[in-house]
Amino acid sequence: DQQVKQNSPSLSVQEGRISILNCDYTNSMFDYFLWYKKYPAEGPTFLISISSIKDKNEDGRFTVFLNKSAKHLSLHIVPSQPGDSAVYFCAASPTTSGTYKYIFGTGTRLKVLA
Amino acid sequence: DAGVTQSPTHLIKTRGQQVTLRCSPISGHKSVSWYQQVLGQGPQFIFQYYEKEERGRGNFPDRFSARQFPNYSSELNVNALLLGDSALYLCASSLGLESGNTIYFGEGSWLTVV
Repeated sequence: DQQVKQNSPSLSVQEGRISILNCDYTNSMFDYFLWYKKYPAEGPTFLISISSIKDKNEDGRFTVFLNKSAKHLSLHIVPSQPGDSAVYFCAASPTTSGTYKYIFGTGTRLKVLA
Repeated sequence: DAGVTQSPTHLIKTRGQQVTLRCSPISGHKSVSWYQQVLGQGPQFIFQYYEKEERGRGNFPDRFSARQFPNYSSELNVNALLLGDSALYLCASSLGLESGNTIYFGEGSWLTVV
């Protein structure tokens, strides 16, 4: 049972345009969400986070939106750059006293075309 | 500042053998988590340790074990290796156990079982 879903395995965007990566979750206990970028042969790099008490968080070119009623979050990258080409993972943490584990989606491969 | 460091970076083992993977967290971080990532999937939670105690365990068999040392470094052990254990093993560190802790990954250890 996939609790975190990234339904688009891949996405291509022109350089300078907006990239929108989507993520859906099923567990209403999730209260903290993370986005990571992963290049081949490297570990995931943390990009941005959002708590369930917010509906938006922005950091430079990256903005994450959270729609709790729809159990949906999205990552916007504006403007997209060729160096953004990577696999993007969303992750969610359930609320559990004294511990936490992140559930990851299967990733979306973003290709930014020059 | 050094990030999360893992060793070895690559290794090849034979079915039935045992393997030990090592991780040093970011300075000041007291929690270490281990994740397994197979090709085409997102990272999957194996263990979380905090102050040398296991605080969370994922859906992995007892062949998988881990421990955390007083200096907060950690080892992941896998016994009786199977071909299906071939994966990227990721260590992540975080400050503590509070909800909303971001986890930061190392570069990973690539394990191939032949």
